[in-house]
Amino acid sequence: GDSVVQTEGQVLPSEGDSLIVNCSYETTQYPSLFWYVQYPGEGPQLHLKAMKANDKGRNKGFEAMYRKETTSFHLEKDSVQESDSAVYFCALSEGSSASKIIFGSGTRLSIRP
Amino acid sequence: DTAVSQTPKYLVTQMGNDKSIKCEQNLGHDTMYWYKQDSKKFLKIMFSYNNKELIINETVPNRFSPKSPDKAHLNLHINSLELGDSAVYFCASSLPGQSYGYTFGSGTRLTVV
Repeated sequence: GDSVVQTEGQVLPSEGDSLIVNCSYETTQYPSLFWYVQYPGEGPQLHLKAMKANDKGRNKGFEAMYRKETTSFHLEKDSVQESDSAVYFCALSEGSSASKIIFGSGTRLSIRP
Repeated sequence: DTAVSQTPKYLVTQMGNDKSIKCEQNLGHDTMYWYKQDSKKFLKIMFSYNNKELIINETVPNRFSPKSPDKAHLNLHINSLELGDSAVYFCASSLPGQSYGYTFGSGTRLTVV
């Protein structure tokens, strides 16, 4: 079945560091890809998305490129800020009409001041 | 405010009890969902309704029964609560199709003692 893999459970960069959070996916369909962000005590919020291969999602200095050849959607930022601290989920929406979203296990981003 | 709202925010109850969680959205979305987030932050879909019709029912124990009286409401009733049901339950809604992503509520933290 469809799946999303995030290899890092937690990353601990310092403020101003660059960031890459890895995400790979597996599906037989043509998915849309998402990054959601979750702050403490809140529900996940849509952070950025990409609908097809070679699309790039962007939001608040974060970027992710939909790479079909490597089935990846890594989240990147040039310079992280303390306010970026949160849990980030990579996700895919399969191509069926049910539009079910499958989430990765999440990566906790904790920025050191 | 346009939103997905869930009640209650916190629910503490004894094993064996029956409880309900309510969800309402005023975004005009046709599709609503229930997700369960465990203590390790993993998000798993439970149910999805499209315009009051059940379209996704993942392998959830039949102690869990969703009900959608209209397309703006999706409630979750849980019978004979067990310790393993302790989790955060999120309601979400979306437009039809794979590309829109979800809007989540702020969650209901259920603790079974």
